[in-house]
Amino acid sequence: NTKITQSPRYLILGRANKSLECEQHLGHNAMYWYKQSAEKPPELMFLYNLKQLIRNETVPSRFIPECPDSSKLLLHISAVDPEDSAVYFCASSQYGNSGNTLYFGEGSRLIVV
Amino acid sequence: GDQVEQSPSALSLHEGTDSALRCNFTTTMRSVQWFRQNSRGSLISLFYLASGTKENGRLKSAFDSKERRYSTLHIRDAQLEDSGTYFCAAEAPNTDKVVFGTGTRLQVSP
Repeated sequence: NTKITQSPRYLILGRANKSLECEQHLGHNAMYWYKQSAEKPPELMFLYNLKQLIRNETVPSRFIPECPDSSKLLLHISAVDPEDSAVYFCASSQYGNSGNTLYFGEGSRLIVV
Repeated sequence: GDQVEQSPSALSLHEGTDSALRCNFTTTMRSVQWFRQNSRGSLISLFYLASGTKENGRLKSAFDSKERRYSTLHIRDAQLEDSGTYFCAAEAPNTDKVVFGTGTRLQVSP
């Protein structure tokens, strides 16, 4: 899947700061961050529509999203915790609300040591 | 809150057999999307339905158009490459949140 690219794909961190990046080439106006922990379904963290944050789930404050334009999404992580070990998926859709197909990137696997 | 109950949680099939996965919703949903997550962890969209049925090759999905409280995914003539974890994800009315089911882990063997 080259339509939604995420980087880095793998990340091993101690208690450091890092940013995950996502870019979509689908012309969508909504972008999402999902977290998938081991043996669990993906869970929504943040949703942007037209660069505006419109949904912010219960996420620790060390996760800060940024949407510099409608095709790019960042997730800044500070002082990671072992419970943050997971795969972080970026997704996009044509609209921010209702009735549209979600497309996922390949994910960024974060391992906290 | 809105819940998506998916069954079965795990399923083993022999090649060539048929089966069905199901998602029940605790409330009326606006739409449902089915995904397969492969061994590399990629989430692949299979179907998006706002109503009715859709078919693609050996896969067919249906969304209860009347009460909008369940959806099914039928797999016909299962193949080894169908192995993976299948998720349904549903969107409630008047919300922009998509909630995932807990997944069905499918293993197809020769």
